[in-house]
Amino acid sequence: DGGITQSPKYLFRKEGQNVTLSCEQNLNHDAMYWYRQDPGQGLRLIYYSQIVNDFQKGDIAEGYSVSREKKESFPLTVTSAQKNPTAFYLCASSIRGNNSPLHFGNGTRLTVT
Amino acid sequence: DAKTTQPNSMESNEEEPVHLPCNHSTISGTDYIHWYRQLPSQGPEYVIHGLTSNVNNRMASLAIAEDRKSSTLILHRATLRDAAVYYCILRDAGSGNTPLVFGKGTRLSVIA
Repeated sequence: DGGITQSPKYLFRKEGQNVTLSCEQNLNHDAMYWYRQDPGQGLRLIYYSQIVNDFQKGDIAEGYSVSREKKESFPLTVTSAQKNPTAFYLCASSIRGNNSPLHFGNGTRLTVT
Repeated sequence: DAKTTQPNSMESNEEEPVHLPCNHSTISGTDYIHWYRQLPSQGPEYVIHGLTSNVNNRMASLAIAEDRKSSTLILHRATLRDAAVYYCILRDAGSGNTPLVFGKGTRLSVIA
């Protein structure tokens, strides 16, 4: 089955540690996105990538970093500089074309204590 | 980005039609209207999108006002599985793979 996989589903870390969230897709999509969702809120864009080896900052990129070395993979690192890292993180992908739907993974819930 | 306005919450009885409104008075000529929904503890899923004409698919119908300043997502027969947050989003067709900008959406409750 084609799809977008985020792992792990739940992640716990101590404050001050960097943590990397995995996002893999086998849909052959060019574009990939990372969003963050806080309780009762909509999604906010962290980073997105329209093509391999290229990515752009979203609205809340501070304290996060990404890489796009392969078309299938777009890992997100939450660094110790991110002041409020506890959140639900969602990855998505889409084909080229501005009306192509985004396909979302089922998210990673990160808790930092 | 052009903004949308949706009610915070709505309620529907099971097996009845549901009309979810969205206002977008500042919509531009190249903005498409997209709808996504998010079930609890899951990522959003695409529902439908349109530009000017009404659209139908297996999940829902999208009715777009003639002046395009508002639209309505129609679920023809609500089921318990339709309980979710529904997001109405404008997306400029002319700007490449622009990311979606999500508001808070409408939380739909379905009563058995």
